[in-house]
Amino acid sequence: AQKITQTQPGMFVQEKEAVTLDCTYDTSDPSYGLFWYKQPSSGEMIFLIYQGSYDQQNATEGRYSLNFQKARKSANLVISASQLGDSAMYFCAMREGYSGGGADGLTFGKGTHLIIQP
Amino acid sequence: DTEVTQTPKHLVMGMTNKKSLKCEQHMGHRAMYWYKQKAKKPPELMFVYSYEKLSINESVPSRFSPECPNSSLLNLHLHALQPEDSALYLCASRPLAGGTGELFFGEGSRLTVL
Repeated sequence: AQKITQTQPGMFVQEKEAVTLDCTYDTSDPSYGLFWYKQPSSGEMIFLIYQGSYDQQNATEGRYSLNFQKARKSANLVISASQLGDSAMYFCAMREGYSGGGADGLTFGKGTHLIIQP
Repeated sequence: DTEVTQTPKHLVMGMTNKKSLKCEQHMGHRAMYWYKQKAKKPPELMFVYSYEKLSINESVPSRFSPECPNSSLLNLHLHALQPEDSALYLCASRPLAGGTGELFFGEGSRLTVL
């Protein structure tokens, strides 16, 4: 079973509109972290935002916010006032059972290709 | 210094060649990673080094040989690759104590095997 599911392979959004990218996850571990990365066509993975499983409030970073619904196991990324430069692949990722000592990598979803139209 | 630097950015090699990809970070991170990413796919974990020791090998073929000579440097040695190994190879690092578990990525090395 997939641990991270992103159900939107591609999205077209008008510039200046808000956009929500969906992400659901599956884990039985009570301690986990959720991440969103942006990957432009150049290839670099750019960290956007993080949400810990014990965090009480939804994470926000500038125009990015994470709509964390723990009971539903969803961690949707919201981009407010989209810009042309937001066009990229967006990956949701999870880290399980991190307590500061393990070196396990992140598990990525399949990604959403977001295109912002003028 | 908050960068992970990968060289070369682009590499074309034949199936009989031997080449290496290099990754360097000076953030004091003691976990370093190699990911492979095919076009329009998510990154797939290949290797993890923890305190300069190989801790995870995700059943990667032996034609890929990782090396971590010191805490700042990670290499991926390539030998007798196949055309299907053409991909973007991403290096990442993170601290092993504290932090969120965020991975800091380099820009990647784009490999083409002819």
